[in-house]
Amino acid sequence: DVKVTQSSRYLVKRTGEKVFLECVQDMDHENMFWYRQDPGLGLRLIYFSYDVKMKEKGDIPEGYSVSREKKERFSLILESASTNQTSMYLCASSLPWTASNYGYTFGSGTRLTVV
Amino acid sequence: ILNVEQSPQSLHVQEGDSTNFTCSFPSSNFYALHWYRWETAKSPEALFVMTLNGDEKKKGRISATLNTKEGYSYLYIKGSQPEDSATYLCADIKAAGNKLTFGGGTRVLVKP
Repeated sequence: DVKVTQSSRYLVKRTGEKVFLECVQDMDHENMFWYRQDPGLGLRLIYFSYDVKMKEKGDIPEGYSVSREKKERFSLILESASTNQTSMYLCASSLPWTASNYGYTFGSGTRLTVV
Repeated sequence: ILNVEQSPQSLHVQEGDSTNFTCSFPSSNFYALHWYRWETAKSPEALFVMTLNGDEKKKGRISATLNTKEGYSYLYIKGSQPEDSATYLCADIKAAGNKLTFGGGTRVLVKP
């Protein structure tokens, strides 16, 4: 069974901490994505990567950075966590857009609370 | 329309009833439309990927239609069951794009 695995289901961090959210996929997908989901706002794209060491900003990249050193792993970094980053974070992976008929595969999410 | 929009935001359905809801998206530079089902405490799961105007897709009791010229898609649930309770998300991808833009979702609650 193919999978996207996020390292933590629930996380509580303090304001100002550096936070790492890890995502690993076992499908050899080129594309990986980080979204956050807030009530009434749907899924909003933070960053995505279409290859190792490549990254592109999504719609709301401020306060975040990413790292993709290996094809299977895509990390989201909160440089200095703030309370407005309390949210559900979802990682996803996919084949390139030219093969997008297969949809995205999502992880189960990390619910981050910043106190 | 500038963004992907879904309506209604939520709806309650009696078990056995059929229902449908809407996804609207910008029709320019359209490449594909995705539908996902997201059950509580689970991962969003891909239901349909639709690319052609007039496309109709079906998976069990759930089906979807697509109108790319006017920029909308309908998702239908026939004979709703409690296990259909979930948030249904649609998202579009533009030609030469590499990412999905999601709507806010329609939260469906099927009451026994």
